[in-house]
Order: sequence, then structure tokens, then C-alpha cells
Amino acid sequence: QQQVKQSPQSLIVQKGGISIINCAYENTAFDYFPWYQQFPGKGPALLIAIRPDVSEKKEGRFTISFNKSAKQFSLHIMDSQPGDSATYFCAAREDGTSYGKLTFGQGTILTVHP
Amino acid sequence: DTAVSQTPKYLVTQMGNDKSIKCEQNLGHDTMYWYKQDSKKFLKIMFSYNNKELIINETVPNRFSPKSPDKAHLNLHINSLELGDSAVYFCASSLSGSDTQYFGPGTRLTVL
Repeated sequence: QQQVKQSPQSLIVQKGGISIINCAYENTAFDYFPWYQQFPGKGPALLIAIRPDVSEKKEGRFTISFNKSAKQFSLHIMDSQPGDSATYFCAAREDGTSYGKLTFGQGTILTVHP
Repeated sequence: DTAVSQTPKYLVTQMGNDKSIKCEQNLGHDTMYWYKQDSKKFLKIMFSYNNKELIINETVPNRFSPKSPDKAHLNLHINSLELGDSAVYFCASSLSGSDTQYFGPGTRLTVL
């Protein structure tokens, strides 16, 4: 069963637009929520991450919004650029250890048109 | 100066064969992982080792056997390969106390 559900599966945005990807989880023991970015032929790379004690985290054009009561979190990419075209994965980790198991969402293929 | 490296990058083999994928990290990390990414890009953890000790062993057929000779290496041996093993396998590493996992470039395994 899928513990982290991600949507949409694919997203097309015009350059300069806002890209929004959503994730929902069920396990309240999750305590760390990263987003990974993967370009074709490459391994995933950490983009930004949040813990449940804050509702928002911003790094440059990338923002995570976190709603603990709804068990949802989302990635917002402002001023989307063609170079942002990639697959984005949300993930969640429990058990409080830095080497705990990461559970990934299904991924969102983002295409930014020039 | 590659942080996490994997060999080979591509592996094409016949059903029933045995193959190995090697992973090395030069980041000084103490935890290493193997992930499987299927044709739909779904990423799932298979194993993780912390200081050469197995700490995560997901529901993976026992045809898959990880081996960690030291903290910088985690190899994956697969016996009796099946069609369903075709996927991209990623190695990753992290340091205890830090949340970030660093992924390798992946090994695309194709079983014919």
C-alpha cells in the first residue's frame, strides 16, 4: 500500500509560471519530509526538506508548504524555468534516525515550456 | 571526484545469470543504501547498511544479497536473474546525524 501519495503524475507549465506538486501521507510517525529532483539519466538529488514543526520552508524559488493536521505537504516552484524540467519526488521518513527508511511518492514529471 | 559512483552503468544479461553491481562513496559517510526504480520511476528502498551493519532489509527476494566490505563500499549481488529484476538500481549514502542522502548515477539492469 502506498504510504505517500503524490499528484499530479505529470505537469506542464509555461516559463515564469508556478509549479505545484502535492503529497499526502497517512503515517503520523513520519518526521522528515524531503523533496528530491531527478534529471533523466541521473540519480535523485535533494532539493529541499521540512520537518513537521514548521509550516513553510523557502529556499530560493522553491517552497515547501506543510499542513500537519491534513497530513499534506506540497512543493511550489516560483518563476518556473525550462531547466526545472525534471521528475520530482516527495518522500517521508519515520523513526527519528537520520538513516531511517525513506518512503517515496510516485513522482511527478514536470515540463516547463519556454 | 565523483561522490557516489556505481559500476557498471548499464548491465544487459540473460535470465538465470548471476550479476553484481558495485557502489563506492568518497564522502566519508557511514550509511549506504540500495534503491530500485522500476519502469514507472517508482523508487523503493531495498537495503541499508550503517557502519557495515545491515539495518534495513525490505521485502526483497533472497536472490538479492548486499555486501559491505567497508563503510565506503556496498555491493549488490543478484542470483538467478529474472525478467522482473529489470530496473534502474541506485546506490546512496548518508552520514549519521545528517538527513541528506546522496544518490549515485544508477545502474540500468536489463534482463533478457
